[in-house]
Amino acid sequence: DAGVIQSPRHEVTEMGQEVTLRCKPISGHNSLFWYRQTMMRGLELLIYFNNNVPIDDSGMPEDRFSAKMPNASFSTLKIQPSEPRDSAVYFCASSLQAYSGNTIYFGEGSWLTVV
Amino acid sequence: QKEVEQNSGPLSVPEGAIASLNCTYSDRGSQSFFWYRQYSGKSPELIMSIYSNGDKEDGRFTAQLNKASQYVSLLIRDSQPSDSATYLCAVDSGTYKYIFGTGTRLKVLA
Repeated sequence: DAGVIQSPRHEVTEMGQEVTLRCKPISGHNSLFWYRQTMMRGLELLIYFNNNVPIDDSGMPEDRFSAKMPNASFSTLKIQPSEPRDSAVYFCASSLQAYSGNTIYFGEGSWLTVV
Repeated sequence: QKEVEQNSGPLSVPEGAIASLNCTYSDRGSQSFFWYRQYSGKSPELIMSIYSNGDKEDGRFTAQLNKASQYVSLLIRDSQPSDSATYLCAVDSGTYKYIFGTGTRLKVLA
């Protein structure tokens, strides 16, 4: 069974450009998470969806960040305009939230560099 | 105060020794606890989950939970160089919001 699929794997972009990261969760999973990982701050939860609905976006750093989940098999995280401090690894993860404590599974990550 | 705290390390242990990794959390309502391993340049992968006080063993790994002290630990017996990685503690307070610590880097010396 395919795991969480993210694209692109690597992206280098110039400051001010729009960046769109994509995620396909594991089939049948009803919860999706976007995390950002940096050396300084570790793995930070940006936003969490349950049944395609954003439940908690308190971790989204500012208005330049937005996330959507138009259907159960696709989500995007958009940064517009991008800044050098957005350089990080962005992980998408999914889970079957039948009850608290279900394992979350991570994608391979999208490595973003903003120059 | 961070919600989930770990010593960043590195924790260096000789091959064959027991590695002990610790994690504390601030939310007393937390219900589920996880240990993930992350190799450099890779994504986190689940090693252990634990939900009730006490010990849970899986092969060379033992997770320990003490809710009264808000403390979770991971023991790795017979440490191998292939265990060298960053170990992330994650906590779910029951809101399906998994909060991660910054991780402890483990180095197993051959």
